[in-house]
Amino acid sequence: EAGVVQSPRYKIIEKKQPVAFWCNPISGHNTLYWYLQNLGQGPELLIRYENEEAVDDSQLPKDRFSAERLKGVDSTLKIQPAELGDSAVYLCASSPSPDGPRELFFGEGSRLTVL
Amino acid sequence: GQSLEQPSEVTAVEGAIVQINCTYQTSGFYGLSWYQQHDGGAPTFLSYNGLDGLEETGRFSSFLSRSDSYGYLLLQELQMKDSASYFCASISGGYNKLIFGAGTRLAVHP
Repeated sequence: EAGVVQSPRYKIIEKKQPVAFWCNPISGHNTLYWYLQNLGQGPELLIRYENEEAVDDSQLPKDRFSAERLKGVDSTLKIQPAELGDSAVYLCASSPSPDGPRELFFGEGSRLTVL
Repeated sequence: GQSLEQPSEVTAVEGAIVQINCTYQTSGFYGLSWYQQHDGGAPTFLSYNGLDGLEETGRFSSFLSRSDSYGYLLLQELQMKDSASYFCASISGGYNKLIFGAGTRLAVHP
């Protein structure tokens, strides 16, 4: 069974440029999460989807961040415009809804460097 | 607010046993999970405690005490490949929120 797939693995951009990250969760997993992880820190939730509905986006900086999961499968996280402080690893995770968040399956992450 | 505290670093030798502690302050606490993350890799699930007591999975065990708002991860027969960061994560808010601690970096030496 394929795991959570993310792309790109690495992205280097200049500040004020836009960037997008893509995630394909494990087949059948209805819940999808986007996390941000700074160096030496734990993952911090940005947004959680149940199918195509964003059920928790309270930590998403909506002035520059947006996300979508149009068909309830894959998802895209966008930053526009990027700032220096956005340099981090963006992790996508999924879980089968009946199990709740007790076990999340993470992708390898997309490492963003903003210059 | 909601927070988890764990030591930033732990060092141990191969073959030894190490315990990584985690104390939490979360409202509507439901359970505690543990994840392992190697440098540059994805966090991977290790263990979950929904009830007080010990859960054993091979060389790894995890413990939870709700009355003390405390849990730990126990790693036995340490191997070099166990060198990684370990995160505790609390589930709360009606089984909907998963909040991670800052992580404990474990270094295993020969």
